[in-house]
Amino acid sequence: AQTVTQSQPEMSVQEAETVTLSCTYDTSESDYYLFWYKQPPSRQMILVIRQEAYKQQNATENRFSVNFQKAAKSFSLKISDSQLGDAAMYFCAYRRARSLSGAGSYQLTFGKGTKLSVIP
Amino acid sequence: DTGVSQDPRHKITKRGQNVTFRCDPISEHNRLYWYRQTLGQGPEFLTYFQNEAQLEKSRLLSDRFSAERPKGSFSTLEIQRTEQGDSAMYLCASSLGLEAGGAYEQYFGPGTRLTVT
Repeated sequence: AQTVTQSQPEMSVQEAETVTLSCTYDTSESDYYLFWYKQPPSRQMILVIRQEAYKQQNATENRFSVNFQKAAKSFSLKISDSQLGDAAMYFCAYRRARSLSGAGSYQLTFGKGTKLSVIP
Repeated sequence: DTGVSQDPRHKITKRGQNVTFRCDPISEHNRLYWYRQTLGQGPEFLTYFQNEAQLEKSRLLSDRFSAERPKGSFSTLEIQRTEQGDSAMYLCASSLGLEAGGAYEQYFGPGTRLTVT
């Protein structure tokens, strides 16, 4: 079974600074997807960034980028120029890759999350 | 596209009572998921529907839990004889599967927070 570990329960960052959130995972599969989701207080979870395991290039979405180290099974999220609106719980998640038939549930396996605070 | 909606947003019930939650997915999404999130934890998979068929259930889904998705549209999750350990946030997500031309990206609803007293 796949597991996802987030070893930082809480992090804080000064506004406009950069912060990196850590995530490690365990899987025996060679192809899969990794995600970072953001869950603001009392609001729904939204997708921040996605990485496909077969792609060597690290994904980037505006101020958000990942450092994907497949051999080390590490998937960290870097937030640049942090803003007050970035304050939230951040969850790392794993999902298996698509099969040719598309069969199966493709559910997400989540870590426990990291609570990010942004200091004005 | 109005997103995934869930009702109610909050539910307080006494131990032993039955509760039912509703999820309305994004209209064209054929896949629907239920997750449970307890305090300090990430969401954990409960069950999944492809159209109206419930195709997978996790071991977390005890026999007091039942989920339906009639006509492949909205879904309900019922918990019978609630226990204090059922207190959690129940999240619904929907996606478009490969069979429908999608890429399985899951979109989450705001959740229903259940408190069992």
